[in-house]
Amino acid sequence: AQSVTQPDIHITVSEGASLELRCNYSYGATPYLFWYVQSPGQGLQLLLKYFSGDTLVQGIKGFEAEFKRSQSSFNLRKPSVHWSDAAEYFCAVAAGAGGTSYGKLTFGQGTILTVHP
Amino acid sequence: DSGVTQTPKHLITATGQRVTLRCSPRSGDLSVYWYQQSLDQGLQFLIQYYNGEERAKGNILERFSAQQFPDLHSELNLSSLELGDSALYFCASSGEKDRGIGNEQFFGPGTRLTVL
Repeated sequence: AQSVTQPDIHITVSEGASLELRCNYSYGATPYLFWYVQSPGQGLQLLLKYFSGDTLVQGIKGFEAEFKRSQSSFNLRKPSVHWSDAAEYFCAVAAGAGGTSYGKLTFGQGTILTVHP
Repeated sequence: DSGVTQTPKHLITATGQRVTLRCSPRSGDLSVYWYQQSLDQGLQFLIQYYNGEERAKGNILERFSAQQFPDLHSELNLSSLELGDSALYFCASSGEKDRGIGNEQFFGPGTRLTVL
């Protein structure tokens, strides 16, 4: 079964500082990986996704993530955080090609990002 | 705006009652997914429908059921409600390239259910 771990429940950074949110996954084959963001009272918005190919993926709002198969990781990064980035971030995995669970997403526990001015 | 709509936005009810949550997917999307978000369980997949048929099932209680109608909207029925069912229920939809595997899921704003 697939699983996702986000080791950091809460991260606080200063505006303008760099950011890295950690994500480790467990899946027996090639995973499809996603990062979603949830603002208070809102639904989830996709930031970026990895299916195959280049292991460095660019997303919206200046975010990027790097897939490292050897470390089973898919960490999210941003070089300079803005106050509007304060939200909860979720890493998710879906079964890759050949999987039987189709598009089902398994989410990590989420990381709450606080941005100080 | 993701294009996925959910009604109602908020729902307050009592234990033992039954409620129905409704979801309209994005235009053209055949797959609908239901997720539950609670403080203790996090975000959990409940069930997926594709073009009217159940495709995948997750940690969905027997008291819960869902269906997808010919117009592709979906309903999640929750019965014999308990305090622990209080949560945010999300619906998501996706297209069907590659049988839906790995496709982006577009999430609705959610229905917040409070069971008193």
